[in-house]
Amino acid sequence: AAGVIQSPRHLIKEKRETATLKCYPIPRHDTVYWYQQGPGQDPQFLISFYEKMQSDKGSIPDRFSAQQFSDYHSELNMSSLELGDSALYFCASSLGRGRSNEQFFGPGTRLTVL
Amino acid sequence: AQSVSQHNHHVILSEAASLELGCNYSYGGTVNLFWYVQYPGQHLQLLLKYFSGDPLVKGIKGFEAEFIKSKFSFNLRKPSVQWSDTAEYFCAVKSGGADGLTFGKGTHLIIQP
Repeated sequence: AAGVIQSPRHLIKEKRETATLKCYPIPRHDTVYWYQQGPGQDPQFLISFYEKMQSDKGSIPDRFSAQQFSDYHSELNMSSLELGDSALYFCASSLGRGRSNEQFFGPGTRLTVL
Repeated sequence: AQSVSQHNHHVILSEAASLELGCNYSYGGTVNLFWYVQYPGQHLQLLLKYFSGDPLVKGIKGFEAEFIKSKFSFNLRKPSVQWSDTAEYFCAVKSGGADGLTFGKGTHLIIQP
């Protein structure tokens, strides 16, 4: 079965640079979620989109922005990168955004900021 | 804000031992509860979930969990663990109108052959 695709899988950036992470949801899924997992930490919810509109916001820094496109893929844009942004960034997708809609996670993008 | 508490951060067991990982959450309303597993270097995989109905839910790989509403708990169990169960286990809650899951800090489970 098709899964959530994330690209790139690994990314190395310097401080103050920008980065763009991409997420391709499972076909027919209309909701995308972004999570950040720091080293040895639990995943933290950043932001979500439903039908191309932002639907919920978590602990996303102001330096980050995201959007969902007409084909339902999503991009997380990160500017003025800091050392503390080094983490694994997961994207998840679901069909609908109700409480009972299961989220399927992608393999993650490992971002290293030097 | 809701929170999820996992009691054990590190657990070491021998193969064939029984497993129980504790999870408590703080939200008082209707919740959906999940256990995810993360094998080394891999992404989160859903083990099992509770939405409603029978509070004893069975998941993949022989895992089960029991929802006890009065205790705000959703403990994960497996009667006999295997070496391949070595992984990080996360309890997660989705409640109210929030989209995002709230995760616990995780339990690092090591199974010794």
